[in-house]
Amino acid sequence: DGGITQSPKYLFRKEGQNVTLSCEQNLNHDAMYWYRQDPGQGLRLIYYSQIVNDFQKGDIAEGYSVSREKKESFPLTVTSAQKNPTAFYLCASRVDVLWYGYTFGSGTRLTVV
Amino acid sequence: GQQLNQSPQSMFIQEGEDVSMNCTSSSIFNTWLWYKQDPGEGPVLLIALYKAGELTSNGRLTAQFGITRKDSFLNISASIPSDVGIYFCAGRVIQGAQKLVFGQGTRLTINP
Repeated sequence: DGGITQSPKYLFRKEGQNVTLSCEQNLNHDAMYWYRQDPGQGLRLIYYSQIVNDFQKGDIAEGYSVSREKKESFPLTVTSAQKNPTAFYLCASRVDVLWYGYTFGSGTRLTVV
Repeated sequence: GQQLNQSPQSMFIQEGEDVSMNCTSSSIFNTWLWYKQDPGEGPVLLIALYKAGELTSNGRLTAQFGITRKDSFLNISASIPSDVGIYFCAGRVIQGAQKLVFGQGTRLTINP
């Protein structure tokens, strides 16, 4: 079955550590996105990529980094520079420039301990 | 960036009641989408709207793209327990940005 797989589902990080969240899709979608969700808030865009080897900052990119070396993969690294990283992280993809019905993964909940 | 104002933020209703929620913006949008998110999961697309005035249904759900292009509403008729969750509106601004803007969400709770 085609879809977006995010891993791990739950992630615990010590302060000062970098962690990488995985996002893999087998939908052959061109564009991929990372969103952050906090309780009571909407989805805020961290980074997005429309093609391989290219990505743009979203509204809250500080403290995060991404790469897009393969069409299927768009990993997100939460660095130690992100001061409040505890949140639910969602990855999404979109098939082409005409369709905006993003397909979302099931999310990764990151907790700083 | 652009913002969507979604209301209400939360709703507590009895099973069988109808539900209405809406999104407004100061910007003009050329696409409106409505998503539902179950606890601990990613949002799932419910309805997509592409033209001003468009009214689209998906089972008990009905959504409309406002004539001014600055608002949209979602109605759920005869609510059932599985309707519980968070509903998000999302829009794409008319200037061609390759990304969606999301509302803050409406949390729906249903008393059986």
